[in-house]
Amino acid sequence: DIQMTQSPSSLSASVGDRVTITCRASQSISSNLNWYQQKPGKAPNLLIYAASSLQSGVPSRFSGSGSGTDFTLTISSLQPEDFATYYCQQSYRSPLTFGQGTNLEIK
Amino acid sequence: QVQLVQSGSELKKPGASVKVSCKASGYTFTDYGMIWLRQAPGQGLEWMGWINTDTRNPTYAQGFTGRFVFSLDTSVSTAYLQISSLQADDTAVYFCARKRQGVYVADYWGQGAPVIVSS
Repeated sequence: DIQMTQSPSSLSASVGDRVTITCRASQSISSNLNWYQQKPGKAPNLLIYAASSLQSGVPSRFSGSGSGTDFTLTISSLQPEDFATYYCQQSYRSPLTFGQGTNLEIK
Repeated sequence: QVQLVQSGSELKKPGASVKVSCKASGYTFTDYGMIWLRQAPGQGLEWMGWINTDTRNPTYAQGFTGRFVFSLDTSVSTAYLQISSLQADDTAVYFCARKRQGVYVADYWGQGAPVIVSS
């Protein structure tokens, strides 16, 4: 199975900050990497697919980059509603696997 | 708009079975597969597998064979997850999600169905 490792596992930041979350795959997955946001008690929400494509309806402050094994999710200017847990997921090969999550908290 | 509405919370005893439903609306049900995922309390997301809503062919991830069954009723645009011989470690929230065409991307999600297994 392809292992996905996110860093950091948790992060404290302030409204207006620029934040970057990293995801590393245990082998090359080309651009088959997706990012989800999950708020407590809610279902995850797709933010970015194919490493850098913004899902319809997602604010443009979210962006993704990377290919191969190393990927990043960037939030350009944190808003109060962005405090949540973020997951990366590889869609290169079955079984689909997720990172362990990054919990973004208010500083 | 695309919506996936799941059945409600379930409390079951060990050894029992449960059937979770996921009713889709806002798109042609058989044009998109349905993914099932599990999230144990305080844990991350785990892919259980998916079902092709056109061919009805299910694919199960390792660890989700035998006791887990994906099924469909296309007449009412609904997917089902049945779990038999429930164990305490099946306690989790179960999500359905629409599979984007041609790729393993979960683009729309149900709200989740909590299943608690306790004697």
